[in-house]
Formats: sequence, C-alpha cells, structure tokens
Amino acid sequence: KAGVTQTPRYLIKTRGQQVTLSCSPISGHRSVSWYQQTPGQGLQFLFEYFSETQRNKGNFPGRFSGRQFSNSRSEMNVSTLELGDSALYLCASSPGLAGGSTDTQYFGPGTRLTVL
Amino acid sequence: AQSVTQLGSHVSVSEGALVLLRCNYSSSVPPYLFWYVQYPNQGLQLLLKYTTGATLVKGINGFEAEFKKSETSFHLTKPSAHMSDAAEYFCAVSRETSYDKVIFGPGTSLSVIP
Repeated sequence: KAGVTQTPRYLIKTRGQQVTLSCSPISGHRSVSWYQQTPGQGLQFLFEYFSETQRNKGNFPGRFSGRQFSNSRSEMNVSTLELGDSALYLCASSPGLAGGSTDTQYFGPGTRLTVL
Repeated sequence: AQSVTQLGSHVSVSEGALVLLRCNYSSSVPPYLFWYVQYPNQGLQLLLKYTTGATLVKGINGFEAEFKKSETSFHLTKPSAHMSDAAEYFCAVSRETSYDKVIFGPGTSLSVIP
C-alpha cells in the first residue's frame, strides 16, 4: 500500500497570506489527523477528521481549519499567516475505527511551511 | 497538567552498544504510552506502545520499553545500536484515547558513532 502523502513538501509564504496543505491517507483509512511541529513548542495536535467530520480539536486559534473529503483526503488551511506559523505540518492517517490514540497512526513526511 | 520529560536532548552511543533513551511522565492515572522515531525529512513512525497488559513491550527494529508505574517511567532500549538507528525519538503519553490528549515529549536526538 502507498503511504501517506502530503503536498506540497515545501512552501514559502509571507505574513498575512493564507495557505492550504493537502494530505492523502493510506487507502482504506478514514481518520486523518494534523500536527504542528516546531523547535520551540514541539509536536502539537491540531485536529482529527473522521468520515468528513471533525472528531477532535487541539488548542489552536480559528485561523487553523481543516476539512475532509468523501475519499478521506484532507486539507488544512491557515489564514492570515504569522511568523510563528513557520513549522513542519504533519498529517497522520489511521483506520479510525478504534476512535483514539491506541489506533496506530501512520505519518506522512510533512509540509515545511516558512512564513517570511 | 500532564507532562513528559526525556532526559538528554542528545544521546551518543557507539555502534553495537546499548541504546537507552529515558522517558518519565507525570500522571496519577495509568497511562497510554508511546515511542515514536523520526528520521531526517520524514514523519513520525510508531516504534511501540503500551495500552494495557504486559509491562515489557516489544516494538519494531529491535526496540523495547518497560512501563514502570512506581517510577512513572517508560524507557526505550535496544541491545545493540546500528548506524540506521540515528534519528529523533519522541516519547508520548495520554490518560485518554483522544488524540488531543496525547502529550509529546521534547525528543531525544540519537547519534550512533561508528
């Protein structure tokens, strides 16, 4: 099976712009989660989608949003970019049936976002 | 609030030597515990996890970890280091199964010296 794919792999934006990141999960997986990884804050959970519905949400401002399509592909959007949004954004997929972190997640390689 | 500490942000071992990466957590409730590895320019990969049952957990690539409730620890070990083990390792803990409740440690960078 193909792994989790994320596009684009690298992105450079300026403050105030918005950005959309894409994630294609492993075939058959219905849960997609997004994480932000920075040197200062480490790994932080953004949100999880399951069957096109947001099932869990982390502690991030409303500028961060996401959605999931019927084929389980997911997009994440960040509006009004700030310098602090520079990070590696990781997507992870899982079957989702167990409904939680005990379900093994498979991570994509991430999208490196740089905000200038 | 729950927290995870990983002693040593950088650990160096010789090839063939024992790998020991330390993880301690603060929790009064028996937790779910995880170890992940991240190779350069890649995402995270689950090495092993403890949810319930046997406290010695065996994972992939020859790694194992032991849950010690009395010490609130979940240290990761491997008997013999390989060059390919050089990576960043993250310990994570959760009291619940929801992804938003998983707390990741700051990570330990492992270097393997030939």
